[in-house]
Amino acid sequence: DAGVTQSPTHLIKTRGQQVTLRCSPKSGHDTVSWYQQALGQGPQFIFQYYEEEERQRGNFPDRFSGHQFPNYSSELNVNALLLGDSALYLCASSFDETQYFGPGTRLLVL
Amino acid sequence: EDQVTQSPEALRLQEGESSSLNCSYTVSGLRGLFWYRQDPGKGPEFLFTLYSAGEEKEKERLKATLTKKESFLHITAPKPEDSATYLCAVQAGGGGFKTIFGAGTRLFVKA
Repeated sequence: DAGVTQSPTHLIKTRGQQVTLRCSPKSGHDTVSWYQQALGQGPQFIFQYYEEEERQRGNFPDRFSGHQFPNYSSELNVNALLLGDSALYLCASSFDETQYFGPGTRLLVL
Repeated sequence: EDQVTQSPEALRLQEGESSSLNCSYTVSGLRGLFWYRQDPGKGPEFLFTLYSAGEEKEKERLKATLTKKESFLHITAPKPEDSATYLCAVQAGGGGFKTIFGAGTRLFVKA
């Protein structure tokens, strides 16, 4: 079992640009959640996708959007990047309450 | 408002010195409480899920317990490789499918 995978591992962008992050869930998992983790803090819930629909959203602006594909993989898109968007972006997959995390994508906005 | 508070922020132990980490929570109906271990620059690694007060789970040197207001992660005879950040999270029944994390406890175990 490959576990949750994410790509890319690292990314550097400039303010105002757009970014797309990708996630493949664990085998057998149908739900994908995205989190933002700033240095020294716990992960903050962005949104969750189930059956290709956004099922719930955290307190993040509309610049953050996502998508889930029929194979359950998912993308996180962030538009008009701000310096404050620099963080570790985590994807988690699940089929019940317990979520399993990927290694994350480190995004640096300059 | 649903909230998770972890204490202490950091804990330094000698190898073999047992201790406990605390996670206090306020939620509108607990669907599940989760413990994760996170190494620097990596994604959280799942440890335990607890569902109801009185429940306990163990894995190697770790034991997690749950009451109606808090959870403890007991570490027995820790080793240097147990050094990591330990995260507590809750999923509230009234909050849909949102999972709320605490800020974590950074554990340092010295040989």
